[in-house]
Amino acid sequence: GAGVSQSPSNKVTEKGKDVELRCDPISGHTALYWYRQSLGQGLEFLIYFQGNSAPDKSGLPSDRFSAERTGGSVSTLTIQRTQQEDSAVYLCASSLVPGTGAEKLFFGSGTQLSVL
Amino acid sequence: GESVGLHLPTLSVQEGDNSIINCAYSNSASDYFIWYKQESGKGPQFIIDIRSNMDKRQGQRVTVLLNKTVKHLSLQIAATQPGDSAVYFCAENPVLGGSEKLVFGKGTKLTVNP
Repeated sequence: GAGVSQSPSNKVTEKGKDVELRCDPISGHTALYWYRQSLGQGLEFLIYFQGNSAPDKSGLPSDRFSAERTGGSVSTLTIQRTQQEDSAVYLCASSLVPGTGAEKLFFGSGTQLSVL
Repeated sequence: GESVGLHLPTLSVQEGDNSIINCAYSNSASDYFIWYKQESGKGPQFIIDIRSNMDKRQGQRVTVLLNKTVKHLSLQIAATQPGDSAVYFCAENPVLGGSEKLVFGKGTKLTVNP
């Protein structure tokens, strides 16, 4: 597609349930990022993929959070046993190969996650 | 540690005026900075970037200024328009060619009054 696509756009779940958030990056972008944005706050880094590998997952807040990327394209962020504090907008971004002067990220519109 | 902050959380200007949004960063090793614009319900959109070997860069109606001495970044918007109303984030990349993790500030909400 022309831009970064995320699905679903909105997700309402009950506390304790697992959720999966999907990201389709821009075609040809090898780097993929997940960020979290709480209401009225800045963006909190979660994890970075280069290809299918995740050289930096330092932002994942707990072991309930995991992410994978397959085929160097689509990525899934999984949150297990969701808690109310997980409620936020989860943003995915992609970029061309880092270090080439193309570090700027292109963001999707995000998934609004609400944990009741 | 790494952190990027903003001096003012909100800014209100009249249409046609110039806007200045400020940002302070704490990591002196950061060598790349970006400004993003985020409209309601959308993801952040790239506006302009600057590398640490520069102190000024101009785009269309926007200028970014970098003062490495005091670790300060600013975004200037000329002839502000209602469509410029959004939240503006500055972000820094502490390592060029590394993990490329961008560290974002909390954002400044710009409101343009007609």
